[in-house]
Formats: sequence, C-alpha cells, structure tokens
Amino acid sequence: DTGVSQNPRHKITKRGQNVTFRCDPISEHNRLYWYRQTLGQGPEFLTYFQNEAQLEKSRLLSDRFSAERPKGSFSTLEIQRTEQGDSAMYLCASSSGGPDTQYFGPGTRLTVL
Amino acid sequence: AQKVTQAQTEISVVEKEDVTLDCVYETRDTTYYLFWYKQPPSGELVFLIRRNSFDEQNEISGRYSWNFQKSTSSFNFTITASQVVDSAVYFCALSGWEYGNKLVFGAGTILRVKS
Repeated sequence: DTGVSQNPRHKITKRGQNVTFRCDPISEHNRLYWYRQTLGQGPEFLTYFQNEAQLEKSRLLSDRFSAERPKGSFSTLEIQRTEQGDSAMYLCASSSGGPDTQYFGPGTRLTVL
Repeated sequence: AQKVTQAQTEISVVEKEDVTLDCVYETRDTTYYLFWYKQPPSGELVFLIRRNSFDEQNEISGRYSWNFQKSTSSFNFTITASQVVDSAVYFCALSGWEYGNKLVFGAGTILRVKS
C-alpha cells in the first residue's frame, strides 16, 4: 500500500501569484486533512474532507484559500494572491475515518518571495 | 478548547543515554486520542503511537516506551539507549470527537543525539 503523496515538494512563487498543491491519499482512506506548519511550530489544522464533502474549515483558512476533493480521491489546495505570510510547509494527511490514525505525506514547502 | 504543551524546546543527549520527552494536554472531551509523531530532517511526519483515553496501560515498542497518566494529563515518551538516528523533532498531538477528530499538535521537542 503506497503512502500519502504530495506534489510539488517545493514551490517558490512571487507575491500575488496563485499556487495549487495536490495530495493523493492512501487508497480507500475516506478522510483527508490539510495542515500548515511554520518554522519551529507544530502543524495547524486547515480543513478536512470526508469523501468529497468538506466538513470543516479553520479560521486560518482565509478567503484566498480553497480546497477541493472531487470524487473523493485526490485533493487540491489553492492559494490565490499569495502573500509572504503564506510561506510554510503544507501537509496532507489521510485516515480511514473518525479517530483513526492520520498518516502524513512529505509536504509541500511554499516560499513566497 | 484542546491544547498540547511540550515544555522542552530542545534536548541534547549523548548516544546510549535514555531520554524522556514530556507532553501535557488539556481537553474537555471524555473520549480522546493521543499521538506521537516523529519529524526527521526530511520533513515527513512519521506516526509512532496512538492511545485512547480509556487505555492507560503503558506501552513498549523496542527502545520506545510511553507513559500515559490521565490523573496528570500527561503522555510522556521515553527513548532508551538513544541513537543518532533518533535525532528529529517529536510532536505530541491530541484529537477528540468534540473537535472533529482533527489533530492539535504541541510545538514539538527537538532531540539531538550526539555520537
């Protein structure tokens, strides 16, 4: 069974540009989570999906952020009009549901210049 | 609200020493889950252990052991005979039904094991 994969692994962009990240969860995992981690901190929850339904969004997720999970498989996280404060590691995790263990992907490191 | 505190920002030990990483949590849930993850320099979070709030038995896995004490809201992690490969950032995390099972992480403890 392959693990969670994320693409790209690194993204450098200029302020004001849009970026999109992709996450492929472990197959048959119906829950998918996005977290953001800044330097020296633990990951912070952004949003999660149960199949294709987005069930919760954190206050950290401003209007410039949008996430989708069409067909309940892979997910994309888009950031519009990036700001320097968006520079962080974006982590994706998946689980079988409920309180089950979340398994993380390698993350996408975003640098906004 | 849920909160996890890892008071030790950084710990340095010499190889073969034992080391304990502390984790204290706060939650109003009666059913909750505690986790430890390891984040090596490569950046990927690696799952180590999951405990539910009804199971206070300590657990040992090789050189790793975990001490869950509900009375003190602590879930400490001990590495016996540490090795250089144990060098990483270790995160304690909490999830509960009331908060949609999302993980709340502590700030992490940097462990440096020197040869």
